[in-house]
Amino acid sequence: EVQLVESGGGLVQPGGSLRLSCAVSGFTVSSNYMNWVRQAPGKGLEWVSVIHSDGSTYYADSVKGRFTISRHSSKNTVDLQMNSLRAEDTAVYYCARHDGGFGPFDYWGQGTLVTVSS
Amino acid sequence: DIQMTQSPSSLSASVGDRVTITCRASQSISSYLNWYQQKPGKAPNLLIYAASSLQSGVPSRFSGSGSGTDFTLTISSLQPEDFGTYYCQQSYSSPRTFGRGTKVEI
Repeated sequence: EVQLVESGGGLVQPGGSLRLSCAVSGFTVSSNYMNWVRQAPGKGLEWVSVIHSDGSTYYADSVKGRFTISRHSSKNTVDLQMNSLRAEDTAVYYCARHDGGFGPFDYWGQGTLVTVSS
Repeated sequence: DIQMTQSPSSLSASVGDRVTITCRASQSISSYLNWYQQKPGKAPNLLIYAASSLQSGVPSRFSGSGSGTDFTLTISSLQPEDFGTYYCQQSYSSPRTFGRGTKVEI
């Protein structure tokens, strides 16, 4: 059975840092394209970042230079290191998979809430 | 970035109604269009991929059509469990942008 379980969310002050993790079972993260998607309270879905199977990484303009995506093959996890956090980064963060090419996001985690506030 | 425009932003319908949601891309995306359903407090769930392919386990009352820039999600006979917000997403190019969503109330 495929499962994606996010962790690491919480309350952080503006300018602070947080590291999210997505633990995956049922497939190998290094063979897939792993994404982070966020949803601000009451708002729609916003793609944040992706790490490809070849290790290349991409970011939304809104987080470029502040967020870093990485994966750990031994633990089968994908992380999102978030620095210089702003109030507008407050959101539920989901990890999601697609299998490359033009495929959809077919598996999603349950999400973890990040609140940036003083 | 490719902009995805959904309409309507919300709708109210009755059980048994036929419901149609449209999604327009700012440039041609061939058939690389996906539809998701999201219920409050839950992660999005894939319904339709590649414009018209039904994801495994999704009821057959859901269908998708379109290509190029104009796409449609149809629920042939609305059921009580179909409430929620529906999002389109293009998977033609990065970033994989989403529409703003259509909230379906019953």
